[in-house]
Parts: sequence; C-alpha cells; structure tokens
Amino acid sequence: GAVVSQHPSWVICKSGTSVKIECRSLDFQATTMFWYRQFPKQSLMLMATSNEGSKATYEQGVEKDKFLINHASLTLSTLTVTSAHPEDSSFYICSASRGGWDDYGYTFGSGTRLTVV
Amino acid sequence: DAKTTQPNSMESNEEEPVHLPCNHSTISGTDYIHWYRQLPSQGPEYVIHGLTSNVNNRMASLAIAEDRKSSTLILHRATLRDAAVYYCILRDVSGTASKLTFGTGTRLQVTL
Repeated sequence: GAVVSQHPSWVICKSGTSVKIECRSLDFQATTMFWYRQFPKQSLMLMATSNEGSKATYEQGVEKDKFLINHASLTLSTLTVTSAHPEDSSFYICSASRGGWDDYGYTFGSGTRLTVV
Repeated sequence: DAKTTQPNSMESNEEEPVHLPCNHSTISGTDYIHWYRQLPSQGPEYVIHGLTSNVNNRMASLAIAEDRKSSTLILHRATLRDAAVYYCILRDVSGTASKLTFGTGTRLQVTL
C-alpha cells in the first residue's frame, strides 16, 4: 500500500532557529502533498498545498515566509519553520495522494512533534 | 468545501458493533465520502471511502444513504485499538488533487 514517511518524528529547537521537516512518498509518486498543523486537543488545520515543481498554495492566515515549503521531486516535500518561536510548537503532519481522476484516498505521515524552547 | 456534522463522542463496549454517523446534507455529486481515524500522537489513518454504494474493507463498512446526505461508518467488532478520533470528510474529485478539510470528528471510547 501507499506509504508516507515523515522525518523527524520529534524535534526540540531553540527559539530563533529553523527546523526542516521532510515528507517522502515511498512507493508512489505524489504530485501533490499537504501540510497540516495540529495543536493539543484540536483538529488538523491545513497549512498549505504543495505541488511538485511549483510554488505552494498557503491557506489564509499562514505566513508563507515563516513556513517555507519545497516540493522539488515527486516523492519529497519539505516544510521549514524559520525563526521558530514557542508558539510554533505543534504537531506537524504531511499527507499525499496519488491523484488522478479516480479517488485513491490520502496517506498521512506519522507526524512531527516540534517543541521550541 | 461541503461540511460534515458528527457527534463529538461515542462509547462502545469491546467486541460490539459501532455505528458512527455523519451528516453531509450539502454534498455535491462529485464529492467522495472519506473516513479517517487518528490515534493519539499519530497521523490520521485512512479507513474507507465511497461515492454512492456501500463499501466494505478489512477495517470497516461504509453505509451511504440513498440521497447521500448522510453516511455511517460501521466497525463490526470494536477493540481497544479502535479507540481514536474518527473524521468524516467530503472530497471533491472534479478537479486536481483536492485538499481534505478536517472537522472536529467523533472521539470513540472503547471499554472492556
């Protein structure tokens, strides 16, 4: 089945530093990947849609200069949290779809717990 | 995005069937009905999806109303490992890969 690998699973960083999170589709090509953020006891909130070879589309209220997304290949998308602050501490999750006209469903990564101290 | 309505929480005894309802009265003809679940500290896991007909897989069954304005996820024999938040989501497949918008979901508690 479709597998999405997300790395790292957790990270602690100092305030003001940047953190990169990787999302890889292991056994399928993903032209589109999605990045979500989830705060404790809340639902997933979509941050941006990442398309291979083009700029990401950010949801309203998400700072594109703070959350840099790169989708350089059909199997890899990265999210970089720049100048992280404690309020950026959250659970970040990526997902991918094989796309196409039919509906395959989405596969999610296992998430990255970011703690900014 | 078409919205869905789910109960905030439900309880079930282990090894009994569970019926998780979802209302989606504004569903359009190109919306697929997706169900995902999320265990604590994990990413969501795909459960099942369908368009018009009822669907079965190894995890669950999906019963879709004839008018498609509601659906029910059926876990035939709940186990403690099924305790999770279950999300019912509509996905429009009329264009390119479309985003999934998560609601608050139903938190399922399974007890011995």
